[in-house]
Amino acid sequence: QVQLQESGPGLVKPSETLSLTCTVSGDSISNYYWSWIRQPPGKGLEWIGYVYYSGSTKYNPSLKSRVTISVDTSKNQFSLQLSSVTAADTAVYYCARRGGSYYFYFDYWGRGTLVTVSS
Amino acid sequence: EIVMTQSPATLSVSPGERATLSCRASQSVSSNLAWYQQKPGQAPRLLIYGASTRATGFPARFSGSGSGTEFTLTISSLQSEDFAVYYCQQYNNWPPLTFGQGTRLEIK
Repeated sequence: QVQLQESGPGLVKPSETLSLTCTVSGDSISNYYWSWIRQPPGKGLEWIGYVYYSGSTKYNPSLKSRVTISVDTSKNQFSLQLSSVTAADTAVYYCARRGGSYYFYFDYWGRGTLVTVSS
Repeated sequence: EIVMTQSPATLSVSPGERATLSCRASQSVSSNLAWYQQKPGQAPRLLIYGASTRATGFPARFSGSGSGTEFTLTISSLQSEDFAVYYCQQYNNWPPLTFGQGTRLEIK
């Protein structure tokens, strides 16, 4: 059973960098694509980007200038950094695994972690 | 960017009745569409992919249909555990991968 667990600070100050880590258990992080998705309180879902186990990435154009997603295969983890945050970045952040062998839907999700941007 | 529009925003249905949820894409996404179920305080859970293939763990009362720009999620006989928010997501033309704004299915 694949499990994903997000971790990181729940409170970040405006203009600082949000950093989260997703730890994968129950399977190797290799050979899969891993994404970050966020959900502002009471709102819908926004895809942030993905990283492949090789390190290749692709980001949402709306966030591309502020986002870095990286992978550490030795720890079976991948990470998100979002710079210059504002209150609009307050959200529950989920990590998720691409489900299809070619198609990009998500079959495993973490439970999510709430990150609040506030001074 | 492909915009996904779900309707209605809220659907009130009695247990045992049928629920029909709609998802429309701003341009064709072929059959590259997924549906997710999200309950309060939980992560979304994959329900349907490829527009009509049910994911593991969901019973046959859930069905998906459509292609191109018009999609439907049907729940044939609502059970208490089915009341949740449902999201559609396209994965045909990206980045970005995009989701609909959700339909809240509530007990009438």
